Amino acid sequence: AQSVTQLDSQVPVFEEAPVELRCNYSSSVSVYLFWYVQYPNQGLQLLLKYLSGSTLVKGINGFEAEFNKSQTSFHLRKPSVHISDTAEYFCAVTPDILTGGGNKLTFGTGTQLKVEL
Amino acid sequence: DTEVTQTPKHLVMGMTNKKSLKCEQHMGHRAMYWYKQKAKKPPELMFVYSYEKLSINESVPSRFSPECPNSSLLNLHLHALQPEDSALYLCASSPQRTSGSHEQYFGPGTRLTVT
Repeated sequence: AQSVTQLDSQVPVFEEAPVELRCNYSSSVSVYLFWYVQYPNQGLQLLLKYLSGSTLVKGINGFEAEFNKSQTSFHLRKPSVHISDTAEYFCAVTPDILTGGGNKLTFGTGTQLKVEL
Repeated sequence: DTEVTQTPKHLVMGMTNKKSLKCEQHMGHRAMYWYKQKAKKPPELMFVYSYEKLSINESVPSRFSPECPNSSLLNLHLHALQPEDSALYLCASSPQRTSGSHEQYFGPGTRLTVT
């Protein structure tokens, strides 16, 4: 089984400041990792994904994440946030296909990013 | 095109009503999902269809009945719901690959209120 921990339930940050949203996971098998964003009253949008290869993954809207296998982390970063980045961010994992997984996403509890002027 | 559409956007129903939620995707994905999301919580998986067959049912009460008429459409039939079933219902789809991931693409959701 997999589990995902998002340590920060809320992260306030001023506009144009950098931000890091933390995600740690636990799994006995290899996993794929995802970050989703959910704006108020909307569905989830895929920000970025890590499957294999380069540990630094770039996504949409200027976000990037770094996979660290030894620390079982997949933290999300943005060098300069905008008011429009205010949203809920979910980290998620799924076992890789070779271990029989793929259809069940395990989500973290979410981090509310609040960007202030 | 990475769009999943859902109708209606909002639905208010009484506990004795029967209603249906609809979901559609045209990305050629062969897996489709229903999730329930309560406020301030992550989505909870309800059902998964793979190649139009129900492959996962997360012990969902029988008052929720899924249907996958074809590879592009997914319905969720609702009957005799309880007020605690009020939530945002999300549909998602994903490719079914033999390698790589099954990243899921979500629709905008249907906000359901049971009175």
